[in-house]
Amino acid sequence: AQKVTQAQTEISVVEKEDVTLDCVYETRDTTYYLFWYKQPPSGELVFLIRRNSFDEQNEISGRYSWNFQKSTSSFNFTITASQVVDSAVYFCALASGSRLTFGEGTQLTVNP
Amino acid sequence: EPEVTQTPSHQVTQMGQEVILRCVPISNHLYFYWYRQILGQKVEFLVSFYNNEISEKSEIFDDQFSVERPDGSNFTLKIRSTKLEDSAMYFCASSPGYEQYFGPGTRLTVT
Repeated sequence: AQKVTQAQTEISVVEKEDVTLDCVYETRDTTYYLFWYKQPPSGELVFLIRRNSFDEQNEISGRYSWNFQKSTSSFNFTITASQVVDSAVYFCALASGSRLTFGEGTQLTVNP
Repeated sequence: EPEVTQTPSHQVTQMGQEVILRCVPISNHLYFYWYRQILGQKVEFLVSFYNNEISEKSEIFDDQFSVERPDGSNFTLKIRSTKLEDSAMYFCASSPGYEQYFGPGTRLTVT
């Protein structure tokens, strides 16, 4: 069975701070995909990044960066110099087969 | 940029009634999905659909639910005899292969 754990329920930071959202996953599959989605207050789910289990190269995209460590089954997400518009719920998700298994989500609030 | 669209944005129905939620996936995508999110909770997988048939379904997707691709563009979720606990946001998603792109959701309220 697949499981995704986001231990941080809520995080509150002040604008311009860096913030890291943690994600730990469990799977018995050797091939799988990991994702981060953003859900702003308007409610839609916005795809941010996909990583496959064979690619542990970390990625930076603008203010976003991701740290995938297979040895610890973690796929953490960092926002550098946070902005108020980053306020949202962030979901980590795992795919093996066709379904996505989501974590509980982390509510990020960036205060001005 | 192509988007997944869903109609209606909000549906209110009485317990026991049937509802049909509609989705238009991104046109060149081959895989289609339905998820639901009960208010304040995580997103849960319902069903995936490929090549005009269900490829995977969750424990939630019981006989009350059905999906259909009635034409080349629409993908529908039917809920027969709705229950109060079916109240949730229902998301449609489509995928070219790996990443799934979600629609804006339909908020279903069962009274």
